[in-house]
Amino acid sequence: GESVGLHLPTLSVQEGDNSIINCAYSNSASDYFIWYKQESGKGPQFIIDIRSNMDKRQGQRVTVLLNKTVKHLSLQIAATQPGDSAVYFCAENGNAGGTSYGKLTFGQGTILTVHP
Amino acid sequence: KAGVTQTPRYLIKTRGQQVTLSCSPISGHRSVSWYQQTPGQGLQFLFEYFSETQRNKGNFPGRFSGRQFSNSRSEMNVSTLELGDSALYLCASSKTTGEAFFGQGTRLTVV
Repeated sequence: GESVGLHLPTLSVQEGDNSIINCAYSNSASDYFIWYKQESGKGPQFIIDIRSNMDKRQGQRVTVLLNKTVKHLSLQIAATQPGDSAVYFCAENGNAGGTSYGKLTFGQGTILTVHP
Repeated sequence: KAGVTQTPRYLIKTRGQQVTLSCSPISGHRSVSWYQQTPGQGLQFLFEYFSETQRNKGNFPGRFSGRQFSNSRSEMNVSTLELGDSALYLCASSKTTGEAFFGQGTRLTVV
């Protein structure tokens, strides 16, 4: 049926808190996952990625956790700052074998609001 | 290193017209993908080009088409525009394996 609009999950945190954004994916054959941050009026910005042969990967202030058993992905942001306020998307590459990393399936997104 | 460049940034077209959007990928990236983003449907995959060949295609009508040139630059075309085509069109480039980087998008408004 037609959608009248996506109702995005929201997460509100205080500056300095840690944030956890969750994502469920559906394709058990997906072998590559990315988290993106999108600010108003801008394109999605790459944050961190993880391949299916890993269950955790850390970046600067961010950690991605992958649980293939339950098809769940999470993004942890440490010491969240007001500049982290944005919509966060998880994306998966559904091509088993990794023949094409250009085709991504995106989650609906989560709105993160950080209060000073 | 320059990022992904999309032109134009904003566009207003009338129903029934056609439009061409352009994308210049990051130097060295041979894969270019296009996505449509709307409040109702979120981010949806349109198609992907690699070495001038369409390698993947999403579930969009034939009015949506694209191509890639030998320098990896890509264009997408939408013919016979409908009001529902109003959206942010995003282009992403990637190497043969690895993360996809997005441009700022082209905001298309159909009136």
